[in-house]
Amino acid sequence: ETGVTQTPRHLVMGMTNKKSLKCEQHLGHNAMYWYKQSAKKPLELMFVYSLEERVENNSVPSRFSPECPNSSHLFLHLHTLQPEDSALYLCASSQDYEQFFGPGTRLTVL
Amino acid sequence: GIQVEQSPPDLILQEGANSTLRCNFSDSVNNLQWFHQNPWGQLINLFYIPSGTKQNGRLSATTVATERYSLLYISSSQTTDSGVYFCAVNAGNNRKLIWGLGTSLAVNP
Repeated sequence: ETGVTQTPRHLVMGMTNKKSLKCEQHLGHNAMYWYKQSAKKPLELMFVYSLEERVENNSVPSRFSPECPNSSHLFLHLHTLQPEDSALYLCASSQDYEQFFGPGTRLTVL
Repeated sequence: GIQVEQSPPDLILQEGANSTLRCNFSDSVNNLQWFHQNPWGQLINLFYIPSGTKQNGRLSATTVATERYSLLYISSSQTTDSGVYFCAVNAGNNRKLIWGLGTSLAVNP
């Protein structure tokens, strides 16, 4: 595997389900990011993990919970989601400022 | 905070045509990236270009930091160039990227 990988690529879940998105970077970078992309809206940064700190967007609901066990892996745990959470979830990594993205997980909440 | 505006919002080209996409930003930036998002959602890095000019095949980009804009040139467009082109910037020591709304490009055969 090269670059940034994400699994699963597609996910359909009910509002009462619990699921997790996984991201892995093979670039030796020191920071990882979760983004949400909804139709007709700018990409929204949800969380950043770096050597220095974890940064989160205060507007992200608590039903999204990130986990970063090491510099190569990043998870997004999902529980009791709402239909408006349906979107493309993108993971990225960087060494400095240049970010590289995974293919995304397209999430549908029924 | 910094505002990023891209123009035009939509563009339709005939295969073989050239085009210029523009990104304006409202304040000084440390970093500017151009991305292409293909129809499957993958964001592909095109250029990391806080200033100056770079070229990669049929694509080139120029950032004039003092005038707060960047241009992406696509020459001899192909149908595979279709998708959305995003400009994103960093300011200060912040890793957070500020994104434009993108230019949606359709190249017809």
